[in-house]
Amino acid sequence: DAKTTQPTSMDCAEGRAANLPCNHSTISGNEYVYWYRQIHSQGPQYIIHGLKNNETNEMASLIITEDRKSSTLILPHATLRDTAVYYCIVRVAGFGNEKLTFGTGTRLTIIP
Amino acid sequence: GAGVSQSPSNKVTEKGKDVELRCDPISGHTALYWYRQSLGQGLEFLIYFQGNSAPDKSGLPSDRFSAERTGGSVSTLTIQRTQQEDSAVYLCASSPIVLFFSGANVLTFGAGSRLTVL
Repeated sequence: DAKTTQPTSMDCAEGRAANLPCNHSTISGNEYVYWYRQIHSQGPQYIIHGLKNNETNEMASLIITEDRKSSTLILPHATLRDTAVYYCIVRVAGFGNEKLTFGTGTRLTIIP
Repeated sequence: GAGVSQSPSNKVTEKGKDVELRCDPISGHTALYWYRQSLGQGLEFLIYFQGNSAPDKSGLPSDRFSAERTGGSVSTLTIQRTQQEDSAVYLCASSPIVLFFSGANVLTFGAGSRLTVL
């Protein structure tokens, strides 16, 4: 699996857009980019995933560069409840279900 | 059920005792995963079950750890002769079947079982 690189920590003001970068320069053509987050004392929660195109759902937007070597997760209007560790994961989509390998992620703190 | 259910939520045990942790996946999910998370650390993969296939045990840290999944549903993670370094939150996740190249594999996690070995 392609490795990912994320900043260790970030701060964002409440109400502003939080932009979390992820570098995955060795990604291959059939690998998806996933984002999960883990709020303190809870299990990780799926946010969004994408292959080539930008994606948006009720939680966030995912912007993937044209060369697919990096991506950005955008939380459009951050709230205090968005304080969490955010994990960027790259994994091939093939037949069947396969484990995801979580790195250390980015600790996002939303400042009131 | 509505989500992944894990029990017990908290377990305190003495060094050397055996413990069993239970996971009830989402109904219909064919894949089940166990991870653990030590204090302040990331998630460490332990084991993965997919349908009737042989489980992927590549993450189990020692032969004191074992897991089974009965009837393709409930799973039990057993730790024998517990050690202090086994103290962690043990997380279970499940996911529906993923068809060939049809899309991504989205895991739903439970709240975890916090194990403390004294």
